[in-house]
Amino acid sequence: DSGVTQTPKHLITATGQRVTLRCSPRSGDLSVYWYQQSLDQGLQFLIQYYNGEERAKGNILERFSAQQFPDLHSELNLSSLELGDSALYFCASSAGASSGNTIYFGEGSWLTVV
Amino acid sequence: GQNIDQPTEMTATEGAIVQINCTYQTSGFNGLFWYQQHAGEAPTFLSYNVLDGLEEKGRFSSFLSRSKGYSYLLLKELQMKDSASYLCAVVYNNNDMRFGAGTRLTVKP
Repeated sequence: DSGVTQTPKHLITATGQRVTLRCSPRSGDLSVYWYQQSLDQGLQFLIQYYNGEERAKGNILERFSAQQFPDLHSELNLSSLELGDSALYFCASSAGASSGNTIYFGEGSWLTVV
Repeated sequence: GQNIDQPTEMTATEGAIVQINCTYQTSGFNGLFWYQQHAGEAPTFLSYNVLDGLEEKGRFSSFLSRSKGYSYLLLKELQMKDSASYLCAVVYNNNDMRFGAGTRLTVKP
């Protein structure tokens, strides 16, 4: 158990809908990362937050948004969902914002868009 | 871009040694991680290299050459449970971690 908690574990929704994925980082970790992993694809970095502020942005679509709240939990909002958004979405956390801080992954949220 | 290249698939025999290579663009490099990921599960941390050389941790070792933009993960005394994907991840510019597509290792009896 990495200490990173993600909900829901599984989600099935229709195209055009909107979903919110939730992540609670490890106790004491200030950084939260979101990654997308499609079937047979590598981990694609979406976005990083550090202590409530956006720190780095990857290949995140405009239909997607995220935020980190004062209690350090984070949410990833996915809207106008398309079939291609079906993937495993990982949240990860680390103590700091910079290199050398090992990131620990949650178990992921499986999103299926039908 | 920050291309991180790894072989897509490798196969090895139980008890053998396997080396998984990773090459990356060196500009902005700040560190390299190796993660193990079993299918459908979360990646788990294996090793971290920021200086040149070999880091050994039990059956697993990781090597880094910063000037060459090259790393490898060495797995010794392979076990069936080592069948998994191995992800090379590079930190760029101090806070941007990018993952390679992963190497799917199959260990056969």
